[in-house]
Formats: sequence, structure tokens, C-alpha cells
Amino acid sequence: ETGVTQTPRHLVMGMTNKKSLKCEQHLGHNAMYWYKQSAKKPLELMFVYSLEERVENNSVPSRFSPECPNSSHLFLHLHTLQPEDSALYLCASSQALGYEQYFGPGTRLTVT
Amino acid sequence: QKEVEQNSGPLSVPEGAIASLNCTYSDRGSQSFFWYRQYSGKSPELIMSIYSNGDKEDGRFTAQLNKASQYVSLLIRDSQPSDSATYLCAVNRDDKIIFGKGTRLHILP
Repeated sequence: ETGVTQTPRHLVMGMTNKKSLKCEQHLGHNAMYWYKQSAKKPLELMFVYSLEERVENNSVPSRFSPECPNSSHLFLHLHTLQPEDSALYLCASSQALGYEQYFGPGTRLTVT
Repeated sequence: QKEVEQNSGPLSVPEGAIASLNCTYSDRGSQSFFWYRQYSGKSPELIMSIYSNGDKEDGRFTAQLNKASQYVSLLIRDSQPSDSATYLCAVNRDDKIIFGKGTRLHILP
């Protein structure tokens, strides 16, 4: 595997389910990010991790819970989501904060 | 003033012509600038980075930076239908990458 990978690529879940999104970067980077992109809308930064420490949390509802166990892996744990949470969830990584970011292919999430 | 501003478009350009995409930013201290291309339903892809005033060329793409006027632009020469996408400008402000909302580019065959 190369670059940034995300699994699953597609996810359909009910509002009472619990699921997790996984991101893995193979670039040796030290910073990782979660973004949300709703249909035809701009990127919304959700969380930023640098050296496995969360450095930014942009007023994201608590039903989204990030986890960064090491510099190569990032998770987004989901529970009791709402239909408006349906979106493309993008993971990105960069060498360090402020450097160019490389994106994974995204997880297309549908909440029913 | 928004931190990173782009015209949302759509910008329609005939095939073979030059497409010119513009971006302005508010923080005069910004040092790094990036252009991403995003096809519909796909993730953003980095196409250019620029750090110094002037032009930087990579194939059909040229990024132009003018820090005094606080703008960065992307020129696409010999536009192809495959260039039809949304182009995102991104700026480094205090080690945060701020993305613009993007310009939709449509290349007319």
C-alpha cells in the first residue's frame, strides 16, 4: 500500500449503530487530519493530530470521536449519528503541521 | 474578509485555451501556498505547491504568487476536458492549512 488509505470506502449505518472509520498513512508523516465534505460543499476540518496528540477539535459533536494510536493510524468512531452526518469523510496526512496535505480516497457515509 | 477567497464559478473555458484560476488570502504572513484538484465525488489531489514570489511551472500548470498583493493563481495551458474539476486553493497560516471553497472549472469540448 502507498499513500493514504481509508476503510471502508462506503458505509451505510442506522442512527443507532456504532461504527469506525480507519485511516492509514504510509508516508512517514507526523500529522493527520479528519475532514467532512457534504454534497457540493467545502471541506470542513474536524480534527488535527500532530505526533499523536490532538491539536485541534473544530466544535465537532461528541458523536464523532477520534483516536490516533500511533503516527500512521487514525480512527473516527461514530455513534448515534444523524442523517445530516451523511457525507464524504476524508483523512489526510502531512509531514508536519503546515505542510502540504495528502488525502486518502475518503469514506462515503450514509446515515439512514 | 474570508481567509482564503476563490470565485466559486463555474468557470467555462474552451478546450485548448488557458484556464486562469485566482485566489486571494488575508494573512500577509502566509508563507506556503497549494493548489488541489478535486473531481466530483473524489478526494482532493495536490497539484502544485509554491513558496516564493513569481512563477512555478510543472507541465501544463503554472502557479503564480504575489505576496505583496496577497494573491496566488493557477494557469492551465492547453486545457483538456479532463481538467474539468473543482480547484482548491490552500494557504498555510501559522502552521494551519486553510482551504478556500474552490472554483469549479468546466472545459468546453
